Amino acid sequence: SAVISQKPSRDICQRGTSLTIQCQVDSQVTMMFWYRQQPGQSLTLIATANQGSEATYESGFVIDKFPISRPNLTFSTLTVSNMSPEDSSIYLCSVESQQRLDYGYTFGSGTRLTVV
Amino acid sequence: KQEVTQIPAALSVPEGENLVLNCSFTDSAIYNLQWFRQDPGKGLTSLLLIQSSQREQTSGRLNASLDKSSGRSTLYIAASQPGDSATYLCAVMTTDSWGKLQFGAGTQVVVTP
Repeated sequence: SAVISQKPSRDICQRGTSLTIQCQVDSQVTMMFWYRQQPGQSLTLIATANQGSEATYESGFVIDKFPISRPNLTFSTLTVSNMSPEDSSIYLCSVESQQRLDYGYTFGSGTRLTVV
Repeated sequence: KQEVTQIPAALSVPEGENLVLNCSFTDSAIYNLQWFRQDPGKGLTSLLLIQSSQREQTSGRLNASLDKSSGRSTLYIAASQPGDSATYLCAVMTTDSWGKLQFGAGTQVVVTP
């Protein structure tokens, strides 16, 4: 199955600044997904990133706040812009595992963001 | 809209006991259901994936069942060990939302030595 390298693993940032999170996959994948996990809560999908097109955002998430790049089939970035303490969360990227016809999903190790 | 519920929210058992974790979903039009494990502050590890046409999947001490018509899945962990302590999440992919996983809130498990 696909292996994802996600960076940084954690960061502490000042409010009003931006942080860019990177996900590198060891194989080509069509779709990459970005999730947020706020403290004590489950995962919520932020957006779906396809190579060569604009990301598709879920309700409650906007491109100005969470711009996404997808320059090729193995890489994507998520930027958290103009951060506030409410953005403190774990951010995870995900891709299809592509094991036979499983269509299961593999997740990166996550980025633990604290905004002070 | 699909809603996924996990009961109980937390569970503490002594080592050696079997664990039973429940997941229910409101929309039976799913493509698959996946169980994950999450250690504190970390990412997700996939445990088992059940396709909508399957009734169960097994991997070592883990067994997951699926009853799509009633909207339920159960994860059984036999002979629990302290290393099984983690949060367990179930996630479904509905047929009209390809690639988008809808997660439950998770069950936090503590296995005491």
